[in-house]
Amino acid sequence: TQLLEQSPQFLSIQEGENLTVYCNSSSVFSSLQWYRQEPGEGPVLLVTVVTGGEVKKLKRLTFQFGDARKDSSLHITAAQPGDTGLYLCAGGNTGNQFYFGTGTSLTVIP
Amino acid sequence: EAEVAQSPRYKITEKSQAVAFWCDPISGHATLYWYRQILGQGPELLVQFQDESVVDDSQLPKDRFSAERLKGVDSTLKIQPAELGDSAMYLCASSPSYRGDYGYTFGSGTRLTVV
Repeated sequence: TQLLEQSPQFLSIQEGENLTVYCNSSSVFSSLQWYRQEPGEGPVLLVTVVTGGEVKKLKRLTFQFGDARKDSSLHITAAQPGDTGLYLCAGGNTGNQFYFGTGTSLTVIP
Repeated sequence: EAEVAQSPRYKITEKSQAVAFWCDPISGHATLYWYRQILGQGPELLVQFQDESVVDDSQLPKDRFSAERLKGVDSTLKIQPAELGDSAMYLCASSPSYRGDYGYTFGSGTRLTVV
């Protein structure tokens, strides 16, 4: 059962543009993680956020956990072709389960 | 950097045949997960181990799938008999934390094609 919906599902932008990916749920999560996955490889952890309202930055990537811990966003500034991949959010609950979102496939065109 | 090892990388099998995947987690990681991922979608949990014990296998189709981690280290996922709908990427991940809140380290996966 997918508890996390991501939007948009597909995103194709030009190099240098900014973008935001959303991860939404009706459930409250104890923590939330973002991963990036390249074709033919496993997902790689980018960040973990645990506090409602928390903002974390990783170079050109900014991650925010919603105040109610039900949603999150990933903002990329000045996208580069190397940012191309499948972005996945994953929410953890008190039952020690992590559920992955539906994924956002990003293509950055040089 | 420590990695999660999976083999084989690719597997093509005929429907009704048996197939097995192997995973060796990062040394010292007590928690091991098997996920199935359809192309372009998020991974779905099949089974979670804590050491050698199954913590959650509620989403594992037990009529055809089995998983074991006998010594609490490496793990094997088996499908018998394979069906066309089983074609997917099978990912193994491990975590130092039972809660998973330090994040998972994934292997490169096994791409299964059932023909």
